[in-house]
Amino acid sequence: GNSVTQMEGPVTLSEEAFLTINCTYTATGYPSLFWYVQYPGEGLQLLLKATKADDKGSNKGFEATYRKETTSFHLEKGSVQVSDSAVYFCALLDTGRRALTFGSGTRLQVQP
Amino acid sequence: NAGVTQTPKFRVLKTGQSMTLLCAQDMNHEYMYWYRQDPGMGLRLIHYSVGEGTTAKGEVPDGYNVSRLKKQNFLLGLESAAPSQTSVYFCASIAGVGDTQYFGPGTRLTVL
Repeated sequence: GNSVTQMEGPVTLSEEAFLTINCTYTATGYPSLFWYVQYPGEGLQLLLKATKADDKGSNKGFEATYRKETTSFHLEKGSVQVSDSAVYFCALLDTGRRALTFGSGTRLQVQP
Repeated sequence: NAGVTQTPKFRVLKTGQSMTLLCAQDMNHEYMYWYRQDPGMGLRLIHYSVGEGTTAKGEVPDGYNVSRLKKQNFLLGLESAAPSQTSVYFCASIAGVGDTQYFGPGTRLTVL
């Protein structure tokens, strides 16, 4: 079956540091890939997505590239801010059920 | 548009009590989902529906029942609540075409 593996957190960075959160997946075919973000006390918001190999999703300074050869979708940001402190979830879309399979989430803490 | 809404936002139950969580969406989406979120485990699929009058089991369906009598509503029922069902429950929906799921704000349920 499908699965998503994310690096464990928490990840603690200073403001303006470079961020990478690793995500790899196992799936049949080539599913769409997503990063969702959950701010404290809130629901999930779509951060970015990529629907096919070599696509790059980007939003709010975050980027991730769909790498078919390494089955990865790592999240990056060049300069994090305190306001980026949240939990980040990598996910893939099951093409049959159109349901999401999530990684376990990575908590990011950015210190001033 | 309100998007995806969930009722209630918080609930505390005693073991053995029953309750129903309501999810409503105003985007005319065909597919709807119930997930639960537990610490360190990401979100897991409980049940889903591919259209009015249909339901299907996800990865963790035991102890839950669902109904989709109207296209815009998806109900999640707990017939006899157990402490293991203490969690945050998220509803989501997606159109028949397209790949982005939209999430509700969540319901925090505590079973004592």
